[in-house]
Amino acid sequence: QKEVEQNSGPLSVPEGAIASLNCTYSDRGSQSFFWYRQYSGKSPELIMFIYSNGDKEDGRFTAQLNKASQYVSLLIRDSQPSDSATYLCAVRLTGNQFYFGTGTSLTVIP
Amino acid sequence: SAVISQKPSRDICQRGTSLTIQCQVDSQVTMMFWYRQQPGQSLTLIATANQGSEATYESGFVIDKFPISRPNLTFSTLTVSNMSPEDSSIYLCSVGGGSSEKLFFGSGTQLSVL
Repeated sequence: QKEVEQNSGPLSVPEGAIASLNCTYSDRGSQSFFWYRQYSGKSPELIMFIYSNGDKEDGRFTAQLNKASQYVSLLIRDSQPSDSATYLCAVRLTGNQFYFGTGTSLTVIP
Repeated sequence: SAVISQKPSRDICQRGTSLTIQCQVDSQVTMMFWYRQQPGQSLTLIATANQGSEATYESGFVIDKFPISRPNLTFSTLTVSNMSPEDSSIYLCSVGGGSSEKLFFGSGTQLSVL
């Protein structure tokens, strides 16, 4: 069983729509949750992090965490073509143990 | 967040040779990490580089294949030794974790082994 699972996609949404990216994790001891954006040929860039159950909003991005269901999601409102990238979900256990999903490829169609 | 620079950004190497990747951070950090990202795969931690002590390797990675240096709090190198095509991957330096919790990544090194 993988520590972090994501739908690999590709996920396609029209420009201006809401993109919804989902992630599940297996270890209930996971403490922190992260979303990274990775453009093709580039390194991952941290865009959101969440520690507590509920929603956390930052501009057009909203991260949602449900620890009971072991589920993390990322919503991107008013999607733009520049949002087209692979989105990596990551969880942190204790200390420096980070586990990454394989990523969901998002394409925003103009 | 820290600015993390990696060199080279990409390289094409012959089987059996070695490549050393450099990672420079613009501030002092306690822990530096080296990850590998193979095509279509998630990021896999190779080792944790601690200043003043030997690197700590994850299961499946050994020092003879991936020697690491950490001479000071702003610099580290990862060497990929005796390369084979299976070593073709993106190699990423990262900092953070611990009390800062978040991980930040360098610009990455795209390695292709022929």
